[in-house]
Amino acid sequence: ETGVTQTPRHLVMGMTNKKSLKCEQHLGHNAMYWYKQSAKKPLELMFVYNFKEQTENNSVPSRFSPECPNSSHLFLHLHTLQPEDSALYLCASSRTGTGTSSTDTQYFGPGTRLTVL
Amino acid sequence: ELKVEQNPLFLSMQEGKNYTIYCNYSTTSDRLYWYRQDPGKSLESLFVLLSNGAVKQEGRLMASLDTKARLSTLHITAAVHDLSATYFCAVLGGGSQGNLIFGKGTKLSVKP
Repeated sequence: ETGVTQTPRHLVMGMTNKKSLKCEQHLGHNAMYWYKQSAKKPLELMFVYNFKEQTENNSVPSRFSPECPNSSHLFLHLHTLQPEDSALYLCASSRTGTGTSSTDTQYFGPGTRLTVL
Repeated sequence: ELKVEQNPLFLSMQEGKNYTIYCNYSTTSDRLYWYRQDPGKSLESLFVLLSNGAVKQEGRLMASLDTKARLSTLHITAAVHDLSATYFCAVLGGGSQGNLIFGKGTKLSVKP
């Protein structure tokens, strides 16, 4: 187990629902990330939080809303999603943001498999 | 815009054989990562390569980096079934922190 947990592991939701994905890291890291992994597409970075501050928003639609209350927890709030948003959503953490001079590796959680009907 | 290309995307090989996965990237980057993903599971970090000529080895896997050619290779020696997985390379992009750009992944299947 990687030390990064995600809940739920599977989620099915309708386009009008509101749901949240949760990520927790037990590694003492300060940076956390949300990624989207779709079939046939490369892994896409969505959001980066470093010391609880959002430092990256990769042109993600506003129907995805991240929240980072502390360095150990990260949420992704979902509302009025589209079927094309169905994907595996991966959370990751690192000691600091890897844009620094450190060699920090990102450690990934198991992901939430999201299906939007 | 930084692009990362891996090839091949699918690789079926027999146990005991050697093979190489290639990762090309389009612009200068400080570092390159290799990850492994088993079906239904998370990404596991394999290697971090920081400088030109860097070589790292773990078991039957060896990764190298040529920053001038913007090329990294992941060499598999005497493959075994347990190595079956999808392998991703990722390059640190410019701009904000944590901006890793991933390749599409190479799905490796090792058959007896």
